[in-house]
Amino acid sequence: EVQLVESGGGLVQPGRSLRLSCAASGFTFDDYAMHWVRQAPGKGLEWVSAISWNSGSISYADSVKGRFTISRDNAKNSLYLQMNSLRAEDTALYYCAKDMDSNGWHIFDYWGQGTLVTVSS
Amino acid sequence: EIVLTQSPGTLSLSPGERATLSCRASQSVTRYLAWYQQKPGQPPRLLIYEASNRATGIPARFSGSGSGTDFTLTISTLEPEDFAVYYCHQRTNWPFIFGPGTKVDIK
Repeated sequence: EVQLVESGGGLVQPGRSLRLSCAASGFTFDDYAMHWVRQAPGKGLEWVSAISWNSGSISYADSVKGRFTISRDNAKNSLYLQMNSLRAEDTALYYCAKDMDSNGWHIFDYWGQGTLVTVSS
Repeated sequence: EIVLTQSPGTLSLSPGERATLSCRASQSVTRYLAWYQQKPGQPPRLLIYEASNRATGIPARFSGSGSGTDFTLTISTLEPEDFAVYYCHQRTNWPFIFGPGTKVDIK
């Protein structure tokens, strides 16, 4: 059974940093691209970032480019999102999502339960 | 930049009825469109990809159709567990975005 478990969310002040983690199990982690997708409270879905199976291809939404960094450790079956210079508008539930493909088709076939990030003073 | 418009915003139906949800793109996305279902307090679930391919484990009552700019998600006979929000998503033109969603609620 595929499982994705996010952690690292919390309350943080504007301008500060936070690192999210996603622990994956139930599939061959290094065969697939991975993503972060977020959802602001009561709002729709927004794709944040993607990383290919070997970290050779990385992409970001314009809204986070230059502030967020995605990475993965295939030996630990883990995905990460380093979030710097956080803003109030980054407040959201952050989901880790598995891609159907190794390089990133942006088809999200499994999702974690999410970790909540609240940016507020 | 592509804009996805989903209609209606809310669809009020009874169990057993047929649901027809629309997703319209401002320019062609060929067939690179997916549908996701999200229930309250749960993550999204992939239903349909490449416009008409059902994802693993998705019941046959869910079907997708369309190409270019007009797409439809059909739920042939609504079950109680189908009342949720449905999002379309395109992956043809950057940025790859989700639509605003259609809420299917109980009439």
